Amino acid sequence: AQSVAQPEDQVNVAEGNPLTVKCTYSVSGNPYLFWYVQYPNRGLQFLLKYITGDNLVKGSYGFEAEFNKSQTSFHLKKPSALVSDSALYFCAVRDPGKSSGDKLTFGTGTRLAVRP
Amino acid sequence: DAGVIQSPRHEVTEMGQEVTLRCKPISGHNSLFWYRQTMMRGLELLIYFNNNVPIDDSGMPEDRFSAKMPNASFSTLKIQPSEPRDSAVYFCASSFILAGATDTQYFGPGTRLTVL
Repeated sequence: AQSVAQPEDQVNVAEGNPLTVKCTYSVSGNPYLFWYVQYPNRGLQFLLKYITGDNLVKGSYGFEAEFNKSQTSFHLKKPSALVSDSALYFCAVRDPGKSSGDKLTFGTGTRLAVRP
Repeated sequence: DAGVIQSPRHEVTEMGQEVTLRCKPISGHNSLFWYRQTMMRGLELLIYFNNNVPIDDSGMPEDRFSAKMPNASFSTLKIQPSEPRDSAVYFCASSFILAGATDTQYFGPGTRLTVL
């Protein structure tokens, strides 16, 4: 079965510093990987995805993520954090080779807090 | 472009009452997903449709929950009778999926359900 883990419930970073939100996955085949962000009282917003190709994926709002097959990771990064980046971040995975169909499996979320 | 539209945004009801949540997917999308988000269980997939046909309803918690998609532009999630433990935020998401491929799911703003 496909699964995804976000080992940190919360990440704290100072504005202007780089940030990393961690995600590891488990699938039997080549994964499709996604990052979403959720602001308070809002739905999830798509940030970026990895399907195939370049391991470094660039997305919205200056975020990027690096697919690392050997470490089964897809960490979200940003070179310089903004206070407005404070939100809940979800990693999601789909295993296209499995009978799970089009289901995405989401992690438990990581709350990012950026202090001024 | 209008995104995924959900109504109502907030619903407060009493235990035992019937609740109907509504969703209008993005025009042209052929897949629709219903999720539930709670603090305890995180984000759970309840059911998803492809071309208006339910594909996987294994996440529907019990027979009190039912979902329909009578056409490509409308879906409902019904809870009858409702219970306090059904209190959660319910999200609808849509995407365009071709066989053997997947695409990004776009989420609506959610319906916050409170069952007293």
